[in-house]
Amino acid sequence: SQELEQSPQSLIVQEGKNLTINCTSSKTLYGLYWYKQKYGEGLIFLMMLQKGGEEKSHEKITAKLDEKKQQSSLHITASQPSHAGIYLCGADINNFNKFYFGSGTKLNVKP
Amino acid sequence: EPEVTQTPSHQVTQMGQEVILRCVPISNHLYFYWYRQILGQKVEFLVSFYNNEISEKSEIFDDQFSVERPDGSNFTLKIRSTKLEDSAMYFCASSQGETQYFGPGTRLLVL
Repeated sequence: SQELEQSPQSLIVQEGKNLTINCTSSKTLYGLYWYKQKYGEGLIFLMMLQKGGEEKSHEKITAKLDEKKQQSSLHITASQPSHAGIYLCGADINNFNKFYFGSGTKLNVKP
Repeated sequence: EPEVTQTPSHQVTQMGQEVILRCVPISNHLYFYWYRQILGQKVEFLVSFYNNEISEKSEIFDDQFSVERPDGSNFTLKIRSTKLEDSAMYFCASSQGETQYFGPGTRLLVL
């Protein structure tokens, strides 16, 4: 079963362009996390959102949580090649001790 | 900045052999996790560990798997008799209760 759906699955953008990645949960979200993974490497924590309507920014990356829609979006402004990688959303859905991940969005940024 | 470390970074083993994957979580963290990611697939939860016992485990975490915190610093995942389908990247994570911080992973290849 897919507790967390991410879209799009992959994205190629020109350097300098903005982009948005979405993560939708089939169940109530108790906390939504965004991670970045470079291919074959570990997961790097980007940010965590807990409350509906919460918005956080880290450098040129902004994430929002829409609790009613059980959805979060990750927005990158003026993308750079260093933003390339796989972006994963993760969440505690049913249970504090079990964590689910989306299938990831592969981002390529063309110089 | 403290980080989660994992050893080895790569492991190649013969089917049927036992492997132990090691993790050193961040020192003041109390919750520990193992995940795996089969090449090209999503990150999957295996097990969580708190207060010296398993808190939650997934369907993947069958009798072939075990976890241990043998001393105050290491957290290990043992696979008793490896199968070809155990080939994956295994990630360890630790947290103080909310945000999980991930290690760089151990790439396991079962031949």
